[in-house]
Amino acid sequence: GEDVEQSLFLSVREGDSSVINCTYTDSSSTYLYWYKQEPGAGLQLLTYIFSNMDMKQDQRLTVLLNKKDKHLSLRIADTQTGDSAIYFCAESRGKLIFGQGTELSVKP
Amino acid sequence: ETGVTQTPRHLVMGMTNKKSLKCEQHLGHNAMYWYKQSAKKPLELMFVYSLEERVENNSVPSRFSPECPNSSHLFLHLHTLQPEDSALYLCATKQGANTGELFFGEGSRLTVL
Repeated sequence: GEDVEQSLFLSVREGDSSVINCTYTDSSSTYLYWYKQEPGAGLQLLTYIFSNMDMKQDQRLTVLLNKKDKHLSLRIADTQTGDSAIYFCAESRGKLIFGQGTELSVKP
Repeated sequence: ETGVTQTPRHLVMGMTNKKSLKCEQHLGHNAMYWYKQSAKKPLELMFVYSLEERVENNSVPSRFSPECPNSSHLFLHLHTLQPEDSALYLCATKQGANTGELFFGEGSRLTVL
């Protein structure tokens, strides 16, 4: 198919790790992105990974890329209530193709 | 503050009304986009303008009409909309038309009665 797919909801407790998963479709995508949308706001770029990398770490964020399975994940360590938002995965095929977004709910 | 401002933030209109959404950018980017965000659906690319010229129109119904009068402004003109057009409409900008970070506005929440 042509869709970038994500699960719609994830609920975690404060202090736990969150893992948000995404499957994409185009193995020739050069970059894969994670965007964050806080309530009442537009999307903001959170992090991205180049397709020749397997992993990228940026403070509490870890991005894992499995090109064979076309699977991308975002791990947030020590999740805080301020991390509650919708997280969008996107692949670059000349233009950005977004998934449906995963709504992360962090409970105290 | 992302440098991309959308107005109005909220709009309620009847099916026979004509209204417009406005996007203004202060980033000097040369590509501007309209996206539609509906709950539980992928973000849907509607239109792309590069250097004020429309380069993409993703099979969007003609009741949506974009306009890009200059590199800082993008409009979405709306007329005879349907209730299923109710959604959050997001404007985004980028330097260059292909890869690179998109900068989004906060969106215009449209409700069609």
